[in-house]
Amino acid sequence: AQSVAQPEDQVNVAEGNPLTVKCTYSVSGNPYLFWYVQYPNRGLQFLLKYITGDNLVKGSYGFEAEFNKSQTSFHLKKPSALVSDSALYFCAVRDLPRPNDYKLSFGAGTTVTVRA
Amino acid sequence: KAGVTQTPRYLIKTRGQQVTLSCSPISGHRSVSWYQQTPGQGLQFLFEYFSETQRNKGNFPGRFSGRQFSNSRSEMNVSTLELGDSALYLCASTGQGANEQFFGPGTRLTVL
Repeated sequence: AQSVAQPEDQVNVAEGNPLTVKCTYSVSGNPYLFWYVQYPNRGLQFLLKYITGDNLVKGSYGFEAEFNKSQTSFHLKKPSALVSDSALYFCAVRDLPRPNDYKLSFGAGTTVTVRA
Repeated sequence: KAGVTQTPRYLIKTRGQQVTLSCSPISGHRSVSWYQQTPGQGLQFLFEYFSETQRNKGNFPGRFSGRQFSNSRSEMNVSTLELGDSALYLCASTGQGANEQFFGPGTRLTVL
């Protein structure tokens, strides 16, 4: 089965500094990878995805992610963090038991705190 | 385009009762998935429906069931509620040929 891992429960950065949230994956075949963000008492918001193509994927709110096949990683990055980026971030992989089925497997989540 | 909507947003039930949650996907989306989110277990997949058929099911007991209607709206039902069923239940929809899922705001279920 496909799976992702987020090795850090928490990430703390100062506003204006670069932000990185780590994710590693374990898949058979080509990975379909995603990042989502969750603000308190809200659902998940889609940030970006990697399906194929360029290893650097650009997404919403200034976020980007780098796909690294040799390291089986898909780290989320933002060059200059904002206090409003404080939230819970999830990495996810799409399980493909059958090509048209849809199921996401999520990492445990990383709480990001950006201090002013 | 309106997003995924879920009703109700909050629900309080007692052990042994049953509950029905509703989800309306983004217009045109025919795949609807349900997830359970708890502090201890994180986000776990419950089931996925497409054109009124369940295509995928997670590892949950039979007390958890769902269905999808011809207009793609979906409901999930939990019978004989247990304290451990307290969670945020998230619904997500996917467009045909797309890869990303779009989530609703969730229903917060508290079982007393």
